[in-house]
Amino acid sequence: DVKVTQSSRYLVKRTGEKVFLECVQDMDHENMFWYRQDPGLGLRLIYFSYDVKMKEKGDIPEGYSVSREKKERFSLILESASTNQTSMYLCASSSQGRPLHFGNGTRLTVT
Amino acid sequence: GESVGLHLPTLSVQEGDNSIINCAYSNSASDYFIWYKQESGKGPQFIIDIRSNMDKRQGQRVTVLLNKTVKHLSLQIAATQPGDSAVYFCAENENSNYQLIWGAGTKLIIKP
Repeated sequence: DVKVTQSSRYLVKRTGEKVFLECVQDMDHENMFWYRQDPGLGLRLIYFSYDVKMKEKGDIPEGYSVSREKKERFSLILESASTNQTSMYLCASSSQGRPLHFGNGTRLTVT
Repeated sequence: GESVGLHLPTLSVQEGDNSIINCAYSNSASDYFIWYKQESGKGPQFIIDIRSNMDKRQGQRVTVLLNKTVKHLSLQIAATQPGDSAVYFCAENENSNYQLIWGAGTKLIIKP
């Protein structure tokens, strides 16, 4: 069974801090994704990666960056956290043309 | 289901009855459709998918129906159980590109 593991379930950070959200998948998937999920807005794609060191912007990349140095790991970085980045962050992975497999999310609160 | 402000559309179903969750999709060029289930505190979990060359696909206790004429997708859950309580999302994709277009979700509540 595919496992997508997000390093933290809950995080509380202060405005202006640099925040790292880590995600690891164990099925050798080429593609990895970062979404945020907010009530009433559904899932919105922040960034995705289709290969090591490759990244593409999603719908809402502003204020975020990503890193994919190894195939199994995809990191989301908030360069300077702001209160409007308080959200649930979901990581997912997939093989080409196959369904996404999600982690259980990281609930980030920025105060 | 379509988003109504901050409130998810909700479907209440008696335990043991069949549930039908509806989704209107937006892109007539979409050729792949997928349903996810999200339980409280968890990430979305894949349920079933269908390609545009089909109009029906069945899984274990679930059936997805696709009507391309009216751009409508539905998920039918047979003999609904308490464990089916969750938010259900539809998503669409065009030509296997990387981006899914997500619906806002429908909350399914099971009445005992």
